[in-house]
Amino acid sequence: NAGVTQTPKFQVLKTGQSMTLQCAQDMNHNSMYWYRQDPGMGLRLIYYSASEGTTDKGEVPNGYNVSRLNKREFSLRLESAAPSQTSVYFCASRLQWAPSEQFFGPGTRLTVL
Amino acid sequence: TQLLEQSPQFLSIQEGENLTVYCNSSSVFSSLQWYRQEPGEGPVLLVTVVTGGEVKKLKRLTFQFGDARKDSSLHITAAQPGDTGLYLCAAVQGNSGGSNYKLTFGKGTLLTVNP
Repeated sequence: NAGVTQTPKFQVLKTGQSMTLQCAQDMNHNSMYWYRQDPGMGLRLIYYSASEGTTDKGEVPNGYNVSRLNKREFSLRLESAAPSQTSVYFCASRLQWAPSEQFFGPGTRLTVL
Repeated sequence: TQLLEQSPQFLSIQEGENLTVYCNSSSVFSSLQWYRQEPGEGPVLLVTVVTGGEVKKLKRLTFQFGDARKDSSLHITAAQPGDTGLYLCAAVQGNSGGSNYKLTFGKGTLLTVNP
């Protein structure tokens, strides 16, 4: 099992460009999450999907949209990137009805110039 | 949103020393998790504590959940260079099977253990 995979690993954008971060898990998990990690800020929740077909806002959703494409895949879209969105983005998943470990992907490092 | 305060923010020690990292809040947690993150990787779960006063041991790591379930600590005995990393506490919100389940993370403690 690959666990949680994220693409791309690195990305540089110019202000105003758009892009989609991809996340997939092969553990048959119900719930998936997107976080951003900034120096000295820990991880902050952007959006989450408790189960296929549902999405909800987290702590810092402004400037982002998500799509739960199917049970395996959960994408994060930046429609018009801003320098404030420079960060490392992590996707995570968990089995909804189990004790609550979240499994994280390796992250995408995004720089917006 | 529960605010989690972690201290210290940075810790640099010599191999063999003991250390304690703290995670505090003014709110009561249903449960709390500790994760460890190495450079360039995602966090990995170390432990979940659920019951007030609970103590869990994982080799040289000891985790304690406060009696009032508002605070937690991580103690490492005889630290080794392999313990180097970012230690994050996370408060669990919502029920395990509910649609509102999510984690709120502290800002982390960056530990460096020098040989």
